[in-house]
Amino acid sequence: EAGVAQSPRYKIIEKRQSVAFWCNPISGHATLYWYQQILGQGPKLLIQFQNNGVVDDSQLPKDRFSAERLKGVDSTLKIQPAKLEDSAVYLCASSLSAGDYGYTFGSGTRLTVV
Amino acid sequence: AQTVTQSQPEMSVQEAETVTLSCTYDTSESDYYLFWYKQPPSRQMILVIRQEAYKQQNATENRFSVNFQKAAKSFSLKISDSQLGDAAMYFCAYRSPSTGANSKLTFGKGITLSVRP
Repeated sequence: EAGVAQSPRYKIIEKRQSVAFWCNPISGHATLYWYQQILGQGPKLLIQFQNNGVVDDSQLPKDRFSAERLKGVDSTLKIQPAKLEDSAVYLCASSLSAGDYGYTFGSGTRLTVV
Repeated sequence: AQTVTQSQPEMSVQEAETVTLSCTYDTSESDYYLFWYKQPPSRQMILVIRQEAYKQQNATENRFSVNFQKAAKSFSLKISDSQLGDAAMYFCAYRSPSTGANSKLTFGKGITLSVRP
């Protein structure tokens, strides 16, 4: 079974620029999560999708972050404009359903904002 | 809201020895799941072990076992016969059993485990 694919692996941008991250979950997984992991901290949920609908985006800074999951498969997370404090690892995870505790994580994208 | 606390930022263990990583949590729910995840330098979160709160028996997975104390809200991970490949960040995490918006994982800050050869 192929894992959760994420790209790019690394990204360096200047503040106020925009950036996008891509995630392709495991085939058949209806639930997709984006987590933000700041250095020295545990991951924090940004947004959760069930198929192509948003279930929870209460922690997403909506003035600068946006995410979509068209067709209920792969997903894109965007930041525009980026701030220095957005430097973090962005992890994508998927599961068969929201009640399934069998999360599979991708390897993440490390974003550095300078 | 649920919180997860890992108060030890770093620990070190000699190869082949045993080490225990501590975790406490706070919740008002009576049923929930607890997890330990390993994060090596590759950054991918790998599930180490899972515990359902309604089960009194402590979970074990080969060299990994937990000490789950529900009343004390404590969930420690014991690694026996430590190996060099066990060196990584370890995160304790909590999850509500409900579906939908409450199915997210809440993580602690993590602990860096080093293994001395």
